[in-house]
Amino acid sequence: QSALTQPASVSGSPGQSITISCTGTSSDVGSYNLVSWYQQHPGKAPKLMMYEVSKWPSGISNRFSGSKSGNTASLTISGLQAEDEGDYYCCSYATGSTSLYVFGTGTKVTVL
Amino acid sequence: QVQLVQSGAEVKKPGASVKVSCKASGYSFTGYHMHWVRQAPGQGLEWMGRINPNSRDTNYAQKFQGRVTMTRDTSNSTAYMELSRLRSDDTAVYYCARGDDSSGYYYFWGQGTLVTVSS
Repeated sequence: QSALTQPASVSGSPGQSITISCTGTSSDVGSYNLVSWYQQHPGKAPKLMMYEVSKWPSGISNRFSGSKSGNTASLTISGLQAEDEGDYYCCSYATGSTSLYVFGTGTKVTVL
Repeated sequence: QVQLVQSGAEVKKPGASVKVSCKASGYSFTGYHMHWVRQAPGQGLEWMGRINPNSRDTNYAQKFQGRVTMTRDTSNSTAYMELSRLRSDDTAVYYCARGDDSSGYYYFWGQGTLVTVSS
């Protein structure tokens, strides 16, 4: 499995909504609702933001929402806040010979 | 509360091996897979593999097959990841993460261990 494809960067003003896409294949994103999203700040471990495409972990704001269509999953952040700035990675369970799980290439979110 | 505490930073020469530990507490160690994920400087996350602490069964990413060995010691709730024949491009932060595998996510992560490979 190759890394899932994400846009390198996405930006928005406070209060706006942004969407990060995560494109895979029929061997990963397209076949399983086991897509999760992580936020990472510099020098810190990733933090789970969404799992099973659209479920919220404990303590995560409902300003974050997830969806999937075909081989592409998406994470939408509504009411963008300064604290939302950071790197975001998607991750999917995958079948195939190379890797059981595959991460996305990562997206840097900037709050203007 | 669940905690994953990893061993400290390492500096290794090319060709050497490194073994990183991840001590778990606050939950049943044998009840969850332990996964290992790495991140090279300025790069993204990369899944390396996982171990079932109960059965010792492992699954490795093909990229690391033959170079990585994941083990565990249930007596002290610790998982280990050993990477051999190190190269400069193995320089990275290595994370352990508890896998909720039925749902395919990682809620709990270790703090990360920086492994630097340099001659």
